[in-house]
Amino acid sequence: GEDVEQSLFLSVREGDSSVINCTYTDSSSTYLYWYKQEPGAGLQLLTYIFSNMDMKQDQRLTVLLNKKDKHLSLRIADTQTGDSAIYFCAEGLNNRLAFGKGNQVVVIP
Amino acid sequence: GAVVSQHPSWVICKSGTSVKIECRSLDFQATTMFWYRQFPKQSLMLMATSNEGSKATYEQGVEKDKFLINHASLTLSTLTVTSAHPEDSSFYICSARNRQSLYGYTFGSGTRLTVV
Repeated sequence: GEDVEQSLFLSVREGDSSVINCTYTDSSSTYLYWYKQEPGAGLQLLTYIFSNMDMKQDQRLTVLLNKKDKHLSLRIADTQTGDSAIYFCAEGLNNRLAFGKGNQVVVIP
Repeated sequence: GAVVSQHPSWVICKSGTSVKIECRSLDFQATTMFWYRQFPKQSLMLMATSNEGSKATYEQGVEKDKFLINHASLTLSTLTVTSAHPEDSSFYICSARNRQSLYGYTFGSGTRLTVV
């Protein structure tokens, strides 16, 4: 079934790297996504990874996928104040998205 | 890139009145649109899936007579909250499925509904 878990809060200093983790239970998902939500706004797609990939790098973002453990992570390098937001992982399954609970990242200048 | 326009951004209404929220795909055809509800500091809860030209599919526990969804064209879906009550106050977000895109899902900017 669709059950995506995330930790809740992360505080990081500007310029440091931040890592957000996510676990999921349904191994038949084709795509896994990371979305960013700023206060009062909708969701912005940050990146995605196809289920047959282990890693994907996109500028400051690195996604790691461990299918054996059903673990997904997002690393943000050189974290900026504009990265302060809530981050959701999601898995695409049965023509819909199942979201994790979200992880709030606060960047300290 | 794919853009989904959601209006209004925020609305305040009196108890007992109805409120309509629009979701438009601006540069692609969306055969499927999704409506989510988000409570403060919580994740998105899928309310219903709407397919163009057919009835919406509601998730368990979502009252279809309370939350009316219409998807009359390939670019427009509407959510009407009927006889709104304070407990309907929430952040509502729509999403459209873009089959021309590999990753497929584009979100609107959300609507903050406050019922007083």
